Amino acid sequence: DAKTTQPPSMDCAEGRAANLPCNHSTISGNEYVYWYRQIHSQGPQYIIHGLKNNETNEMASLIITEDRKSSTLILPHATLRDTAVYYCIVRATGQGGSEKLVFGKGTKLTVNP
Amino acid sequence: GAGVSQSPRYKVAKRGQDVALRCDPISGHVSLFWYQQALGQGPEFLTYFQNEAQLDKSGLPSDRFFAERPEGSVSTLKIQRTQQEDSAVYLCASSLDSHTASYEQYFGPGTRLTVT
Repeated sequence: DAKTTQPPSMDCAEGRAANLPCNHSTISGNEYVYWYRQIHSQGPQYIIHGLKNNETNEMASLIITEDRKSSTLILPHATLRDTAVYYCIVRATGQGGSEKLVFGKGTKLTVNP
Repeated sequence: GAGVSQSPRYKVAKRGQDVALRCDPISGHVSLFWYQQALGQGPEFLTYFQNEAQLDKSGLPSDRFFAERPEGSVSTLKIQRTQQEDSAVYLCASSLDSHTASYEQYFGPGTRLTVT
C-alpha cells in the first residue's frame, strides 16, 4: 500500500485559506488520493478525491502535482468548524478487491479566531 | 436521507465478557467496512463485506473478533472474551460499490468500547 506523509499539526486563522500538504511518493498509477476529516467524537467525513487532475467541490480543492507524488488540500475560507484531523489517504486494494482505506495519523488543523 | 447508524454509541464491558456492536448502513449500499480506532490514532481496517459476503478479514486482530452481515444489510461485529486492549472506537462505513469507479465511504458515529 502506498504510504502518505503529513505534518502532525497546522494552524490557520479564521477566514484565511488552509493549505494541507501530503506526500505520497510511492503512489501507483491507478490509485486515487482521498481526503477525509474527523471532527472530535465523530466518524470520518469524506471531503474530496482525485486521480490526476485538480478537483474542486463545495468543501475544498485538491491540487495534485504532475508526478502525483504529492498533493495539497485547500480549504479556501477556513472557519472554526473546520478544526479537525485531516487524513490524506491513497486508496488501497486488499483481498477480494476491497477498497479499504489506510489511515495515517493525519494533520491536526486548528482554526483560530 | 439517513446516514450510517451504529449502536450502542457507548459500551462498557468487564474483561472476559462478549460484546456485539451493530451497524446499519445506508440503504442500498453494497459495501460495508469495519474499522477500529484507538485513542489518538487513525482508524485501522478490520474487515469488509460486499453484500453478505465477507471478502476481506485481514485486519481482524484475533479469532476473538467475528463479523457478519447475513442479509447483506445490517452488520454485527462481535468480540468474544474482551480484553483491555480491545478498548477503542469501532467505526462502520458503507459505500455504494467498491468495485466500480471511486466511491467514497460514509462513516457512522462509532461505538466507544471500554473494557474494564
